[in-house]
Amino acid sequence: DAGVIQSPRHEVTEMGQEVTLRCKPISGHNSLFWYRQTMMRGLELLIYFNNNVPIDDSGMPEDRFSAKMPNASFSTLKIQPSEPRDSAVYFCASSLSGTYPSYEQYFGPGTRLTVT
Amino acid sequence: AQTVTQSQPEMSVQEAETVTLSCTYDTSESDYYLFWYKQPPSRQMILVIRQEAYKQQNATENRFSVNFQKAAKSFSLKISDSQLGDAAMYFCAYRASNFGNEKLTFGTGTRLTIIP
Repeated sequence: DAGVIQSPRHEVTEMGQEVTLRCKPISGHNSLFWYRQTMMRGLELLIYFNNNVPIDDSGMPEDRFSAKMPNASFSTLKIQPSEPRDSAVYFCASSLSGTYPSYEQYFGPGTRLTVT
Repeated sequence: AQTVTQSQPEMSVQEAETVTLSCTYDTSESDYYLFWYKQPPSRQMILVIRQEAYKQQNATENRFSVNFQKAAKSFSLKISDSQLGDAAMYFCAYRASNFGNEKLTFGTGTRLTIIP
């Protein structure tokens, strides 16, 4: 299995630009998670989907952030407009909920975003 | 809300020796899952070990074992026969057991250095 795939691995953009991060979960997994890692706040959940439906988006910072999961094999996290404080590593993870061990989440390699 | 605390920002150990990383958590739930993740410089999040709260037996995975004290809400990680490849950030994480509440709540991490 290819594991969770994220693109791009690195993104450098200017303040005010739109940024789109992409994730392909492990085939057959039905839950997808977006986490953000910063020095100040550590690792925190932004949003997660189950069967393509958002279940918990309480971690989404503000309206500038949006996430979609149009099908079981693809998700995007969009920031518009981007700000320097959005600089972080963004991880996507997936899991197979409803089965044992459903609690194991597999992480992608992350996207390092730098907003100048 | 659940919280996870790692009180040791940094630890070091001599190669081949044993080291214990501490983690405490706060929850009102009786059933949940606990994890230790390893993040090497490559930034990939790697699951090291997991523990189900309903199990009294401490989990072990080769050189890695945990000391799970449910009443004290403590979940420490012991690494035996430390190897250079164990150098990384280690994160303790909590997850509720019920569907719809699958997010991982992470501690702030412990940076482990292995001294040759």
